Amino acid sequence: QSVLTQPPSVSGAPGQRVTISCTGSSSNFGAGYDVHWYQQLPGTAPKLLIYGNNNRPSGVPDRFSGSKSGTSASLAISGLQAEDEADYYCQSYDSSLSGYVFGTGTKVTVL
Amino acid sequence: EVQLVQSGAEVKKPGESLKISCKGSGYRFTNYWIGWVRQMPGKGLEWMGSIYPGDSDTRYSPSFQGQVNISADKSINTAYLQWSSLKASDTAMYFCARPTVWGSQFDYWGQGALVTVSS
Repeated sequence: QSVLTQPPSVSGAPGQRVTISCTGSSSNFGAGYDVHWYQQLPGTAPKLLIYGNNNRPSGVPDRFSGSKSGTSASLAISGLQAEDEADYYCQSYDSSLSGYVFGTGTKVTVL
Repeated sequence: EVQLVQSGAEVKKPGESLKISCKGSGYRFTNYWIGWVRQMPGKGLEWMGSIYPGDSDTRYSPSFQGQVNISADKSINTAYLQWSSLKASDTAMYFCARPTVWGSQFDYWGQGALVTVSS
């Protein structure tokens, strides 16, 4: 089972801002490990969206932003577009498991 | 250009063995860990384990320890995920992915390999 908890779904109208939470614990976020975010379009491999809490790889629009505080993190999508409809996952490292952990995943629906 | 190219889809029967592959190119294969990630139908991502091809150091998620074997052949820049006796519950998409040298994020992913186990 995943040690990072996300809401199953979020939705918003085009142009709106949505946020996705990712709740961890003292052995991952609380221990200082970074959070990363991935976007997975249907039938494709995940794509790195945000790394190191709030950094965007080249080519990722600045509509996507991330943050981390304490044992929680969040991804924000502003100016929501139809192409943003996808599954989103947070990811970190967990010291008690001595390995990587993914969040439970959130499906974003554009209304 | 960094690429991870995985072997194709497989259909197997319960109890059969299987080895799928992930070939890296466009970077020094021995200098980066390679991880394997499972995605069961309609479910989320699960890290299974990782290998450092430079010295074959291998780490497993507790959930997958003893269930699979991860290996690599650095002479052909290829990592492997292997089962000795498949179960129906192993039906899933399997991705290989490469984390950066300096961080824990996976910046490159293979295209995925669908494994179907059915009698």
